[in-house]
Amino acid sequence: SQTIHQWPATLVQPVGSPLSLECTVEGTSNPNLYWYRQAAGRGLQLLFYSVGIGQISSEVPQNLSASRPQDRQFILSSKKLLLSDSGFYLCAWSSGPFEAFFGQGTRLTVV
Amino acid sequence: QQPVQSPQAVILREGEDAVINCSSSKALYSVHWYRQKHGEAPVFLMILLKGGEQKGHEKISASFNEKKQQSSLYLTASQLSYSGTYFCGTVGGNKLVFGAGTILRVKS
Repeated sequence: SQTIHQWPATLVQPVGSPLSLECTVEGTSNPNLYWYRQAAGRGLQLLFYSVGIGQISSEVPQNLSASRPQDRQFILSSKKLLLSDSGFYLCAWSSGPFEAFFGQGTRLTVV
Repeated sequence: QQPVQSPQAVILREGEDAVINCSSSKALYSVHWYRQKHGEAPVFLMILLKGGEQKGHEKISASFNEKKQQSSLYLTASQLSYSGTYFCGTVGGNKLVFGAGTILRVKS
């Protein structure tokens, strides 16, 4: 069966520090991968999506970037965090246009 | 483009029914529905792939009107466990985007 792992679960980082969040999927190949951000009490904002290794589409121009170095690995990064980067970050995978499955999320607080 | 959900929030008593609507200004080829409990990740409920399709999952069902570019989620005889935020999602060009969500609270 397929599983998705996302870590860490919580993170507190100072403004200006770097960020690296990792997501891996097991039990499937060539998944579509997504990064979403959710501010408190708000909706799911699509940040990046990828349909294959090295293929990244950015939805929101900001100080975040994403990479997909392996088929089932998706990484969200920042060189310098801003206060506005705080939120609940969710990784998800899908097989084409079909249902998406989410990781448990990372709650990021930038202080 | 992000689908539009309505209402933004609804409060029910146990046993009451609710309808959540999702519409898009672009052609819809499929509609996803998810539920998110507070502090948790969204969980997939159902997907509708064809116009006119209806699906059910226990007392939660959905319909998809392709011509009107809209979908509705029906919750009947609501239970406390139905509380959460419901999101509809649409796919276009491998991109899955979600509506702003509908907060559903079921009271005893």
